[in-house]
Amino acid sequence: SAVISQKPSRDICQRGTSLTIQCQVDSQVTMMFWYRQQPGQSLTLIATANQGSEATYESGFVIDKFPISRPNLTFSTLTVSNMSPEDSSIYLCSVGEGSYEQYFGPGTRLTVT
Amino acid sequence: EDQVTQSPEALRLQEGESSSLNCSYTVSGLRGLFWYRQDPGKGPEFLFTLYSAGEEKEKERLKATLTKKESFLHITAPKPEDSATYLCAVRQSGSARQLTFGSGTQLTVLP
Repeated sequence: SAVISQKPSRDICQRGTSLTIQCQVDSQVTMMFWYRQQPGQSLTLIATANQGSEATYESGFVIDKFPISRPNLTFSTLTVSNMSPEDSSIYLCSVGEGSYEQYFGPGTRLTVT
Repeated sequence: EDQVTQSPEALRLQEGESSSLNCSYTVSGLRGLFWYRQDPGKGPEFLFTLYSAGEEKEKERLKATLTKKESFLHITAPKPEDSATYLCAVRQSGSARQLTFGSGTQLTVLP
């Protein structure tokens, strides 16, 4: 399975600012996914990021709020823009290649004050 | 719309007390049911994939089974280190590998 790292592991940000989260994979993968896990909740898919194309966003998530880059087959970023306390969550990236299961990074714990 | 429901929400067991977690699903064209373990402050760790009714997978004290409407995660003689939140997820055909997750079962195994 792929080894996935995320930066930062956690951050505390002020309302109205933006944070960019990085996801690095140790092998080339076609599909990368970004999830949000709000406190005490399960995982909700934000978007699917394929290299060479625009990210596909799920209902309730928009590009202006969560812009995503996928410059190559091992790296992606998710930006949380104009943050509010409701954006306080764990943000997770995952990859799925070949088989159907997905493998997750360790997550980025974001607190917005 | 895909639905994944896990029960119970929380389960407390004594060490050695076997039990089962349930994941019921409503999806057209199941292309896989997945079990994950999540420890506090960490990303989900993949455990099993099940593809068809009647399939079973085992790993140490864990055994996952699948029917046409639900999956069970059986925990035999659990230990305190099995304490975690267990998540199930489903993938629907044509969904390009997107997973729909249940809300999880928080398992606590007391020594």
